[in-house]
Amino acid sequence: EDKVVQSPLSLVVHEGDTVTLNCSYEVTNFRSLLWYKQEKKAPTFLFMLTSSGIEKKSGRLSSILDKKELSSILNITATQTGDSAIYLCAVEDSGAGSYQLTFGKGTKLSVIP
Amino acid sequence: DADVTQTPRNRITKTGKRIMLECSQTKGHDRMYWYRQDPGLGLRLIYYSFDVKDINKGEISDGYSVSRQAQAKFSLSLESAIPNQTALYFCATSDFGTRQYFGPGTRLTVT
Repeated sequence: EDKVVQSPLSLVVHEGDTVTLNCSYEVTNFRSLLWYKQEKKAPTFLFMLTSSGIEKKSGRLSSILDKKELSSILNITATQTGDSAIYLCAVEDSGAGSYQLTFGKGTKLSVIP
Repeated sequence: DADVTQTPRNRITKTGKRIMLECSQTKGHDRMYWYRQDPGLGLRLIYYSFDVKDINKGEISDGYSVSRQAQAKFSLSLESAIPNQTALYFCATSDFGTRQYFGPGTRLTVT
């Protein structure tokens, strides 16, 4: 059975801090790993990492895939209150029926002024 | 994404009632999904459909049914709602890639 584990489950930081969110996975045939940000309602896409694209960056956010350790990190530098959200990690297993995503439970990030 | 819409956005219903949640998309995607989200449990897949003639059960399909009326429409039904189906429900779509686009969600409360 696929398994995606995120840590920590919640985190409180001050504005300007740098945070690292973790995602580890156990899947039969890894295809891709995705990060989403969920503020009030719908998750919004941040990054997708695959065997051919193990590092992505967008502004203050960056993500790295470690295929050897079966894990990924999401870094946020110079955090702002607008970064407060739940961050979801999802993994696709191509052996389980492609295009199904298994989600972790999420990391709730709170950034206080 | 505004291209994926869900109705209703909020619903309160009583135990035993039948309820339908609807999802429409204008993205032209073939693949559609229904998830539920409970506090602290992330998103769990209920059903998914890769085209109008293809319906598949997800991780937690018991107590739910779906209908794919057209490429753009995918409905989720609770035949006899029970309180532990109280949750936030999301519809999502994707094309041939993995990235999924989510609707705004429906908050369902079963009393």
